[in-house]
Amino acid sequence: DIQMTQSPSSLSASVGDRVTITCRASQGISNYLAWFQQKPGKAPKSLIYLASSLQSGVPSKFSGSGSGTDFTLTISGLQPEDFATYFCQQYDTYPLTFGGGTKVEIK
Amino acid sequence: QVQLQESGPGLVKPSETLSLTCTVSGGSISGYYWSWIRQPPGKGLEWIGYFYYRGTTTYNPSLKSRVTISVDTSKNQFSLNLSSMTAADTAVYYCARMDTSGWLQTWGQGTLVTVSS
Repeated sequence: DIQMTQSPSSLSASVGDRVTITCRASQGISNYLAWFQQKPGKAPKSLIYLASSLQSGVPSKFSGSGSGTDFTLTISGLQPEDFATYFCQQYDTYPLTFGGGTKVEIK
Repeated sequence: QVQLQESGPGLVKPSETLSLTCTVSGGSISGYYWSWIRQPPGKGLEWIGYFYYRGTTTYNPSLKSRVTISVDTSKNQFSLNLSSMTAADTAVYYCARMDTSGWLQTWGQGTLVTVSS
């Protein structure tokens, strides 16, 4: 299975900050990577697919980059509603696998 | 906009079979791939498998011997059966719509299943 290593596991940031989250794949996955936002008791929400394509309706403050093994999610201008857990998903190879998640908390 | 909702028992006894249903609203179940994913408390996400409405299935090898995913197009629902449940199967179970490439584009909110006697 492809292992997805996500870092950091948590971070504290202030409203207005820019944050970057990283996912590293144990082998090359081209650009078959998605990013999600998850809030307690809610359905995970798709933000980015194909590493850098913004899901319809998602604000442009979310951006993704990378290919091969290293990927980043950047959130610009953090707002209160952005404090949540973010995780990545690779879909290059079955079984589908996920990063461990990054909890973004208010400083 | 398509929405998914999981339903099923919140408590299952060891050795029993878990049966969960995902109801799809706002769109047809035909033409898409449908997946199940789970997350044990305090642990990471694990993909269980998918069913394509034409009958193709692919399961995670780690669960393959115990899993069946099926679709009922007449009810716009798909289901998960997981046999021989143990405490290690305690988790929040999510259903999701998957595109042809494997991107899990739309998720349900999840349902907690506890395995206990």
